[in-house]
Amino acid sequence: KQEVTQIPAALSVPEGENLVLNCSFTDSAIYNLQWFRQDPGKGLTSLLLIQSSQREQTSGRLNASLDKSSGRSTLYIAASQPGDSATYLCAVVRFDKLIFGTGTRLQVFP
Amino acid sequence: GAGVSQSPRYKVAKRGQDVALRCDPISGHVSLFWYQQALGQGPEFLTYFQNEAQLDKSGLPSDRFFAERPEGSVSTLKIQRTQQEDSAVYLCASSSVGGGRNEQFFGPGTRLTVL
Repeated sequence: KQEVTQIPAALSVPEGENLVLNCSFTDSAIYNLQWFRQDPGKGLTSLLLIQSSQREQTSGRLNASLDKSSGRSTLYIAASQPGDSATYLCAVVRFDKLIFGTGTRLQVFP
Repeated sequence: GAGVSQSPRYKVAKRGQDVALRCDPISGHVSLFWYQQALGQGPEFLTYFQNEAQLDKSGLPSDRFFAERPEGSVSTLKIQRTQQEDSAVYLCASSSVGGGRNEQFFGPGTRLTVL
């Protein structure tokens, strides 16, 4: 059974720091991996999608990497801002469904 | 363009009542997914439609849960005889092609509270 774990569960940092959020999964047979952002009381916003054949994707200050063989992905956030405060979820796709981790709750303070 | 919309946004039900949650996917999207998110947890898969066909319902927790997408667009998730453990946020997502391998776009969710 595919299990997805995210570390740390919560993170509080001052504005301007570079951050690394970690995601690990137990079964390397995935189609792709997707990173989402969730604000309180809101739905999920897709940040980055990495196909299984890719190693990384970049969007603005965000960079996500994927190492299927080791079952790991990292989300790198450069120069964090208070507006980045949210819960970040990673999810792997296997057999047409997303399997989510429990998320990392990020707070960036001024 | 319009994203995925869900209604109602909030629903309070007494234990034993039936509820119906609606999802309007992005126009033209082939695939539609329902997920359940308990407080403090990541979303968990419930069911998947490709057009009007329900291809996977392995995540539905009991036979009290039923989903349909009769015309291949709007979908309804129905929960019969609600129980307190059904309290959660129900998220709907759609994707432009068949299967879950492409980007899924999520609605704002319906927060269900069962008293």
